[in-house]
Amino acid sequence: IAGITQAPTSQILAAGRRMTLRCTQDMRHNAMYWYRQDLGLGLRLIHYSNTAGTTGKGEVPDGYSVSRANTDDFPLTLASAVPSQTSVYFCASSRLAGDRTDTQYFGPGTRLTVL
Amino acid sequence: GQNIDQPTEMTATEGAIVQINCTYQTSGFNGLFWYQQHAGEAPTFLSYNVLDGLEEKGRFSSFLSRSKGYSYLLLKELQMKDSASYLCAVLDSNYQLIWGAGTKLIIKP
Repeated sequence: IAGITQAPTSQILAAGRRMTLRCTQDMRHNAMYWYRQDLGLGLRLIHYSNTAGTTGKGEVPDGYSVSRANTDDFPLTLASAVPSQTSVYFCASSRLAGDRTDTQYFGPGTRLTVL
Repeated sequence: GQNIDQPTEMTATEGAIVQINCTYQTSGFNGLFWYQQHAGEAPTFLSYNVLDGLEEKGRFSSFLSRSKGYSYLLLKELQMKDSASYLCAVLDSNYQLIWGAGTKLIIKP
């Protein structure tokens, strides 16, 4: 692995189902982020983690939860999916903890459709 | 509210020069990023400006005027592979990153 990987690449999900999007990085970066990208809108931060064991809410956290048990993994869970959560989800990481001026490196994204 | 404005789409010719503008109204300022995103792919870092002026990196340059709330990305000697979306993002006073919707650049032969 080199960089950030996300799984699955794409998923179609029935409304009301639970879904976990996986994100793994091998760069030993401290900070990790989850964004959603919708047509005509900028990237919006869902949740973030400055270091392993800590998480924080972003701009649009409702309906999503995260955990950061170790440095490498940062899964995003939709407890009960709704159609408005149809989006492309990007995971990102940056080397420095809590320094938003640091460059963020993005994973390839997960395209999620909720019907 | 906080706002980042970029043109939705631009078209340019291979070999030419194009300037992509970004204007912002945010609560404070702690720097401005430009990212490139090819269709269906991840955004990748291009530049970060926190001081006024022009920074050049090969064919790409980024300019910032904090007093005007304005930045531009200048792409020279355009190549077909430069066809992509270009995302402008500003760090506000709380170090929250505010992203623009992006400018889709179409390069024609």
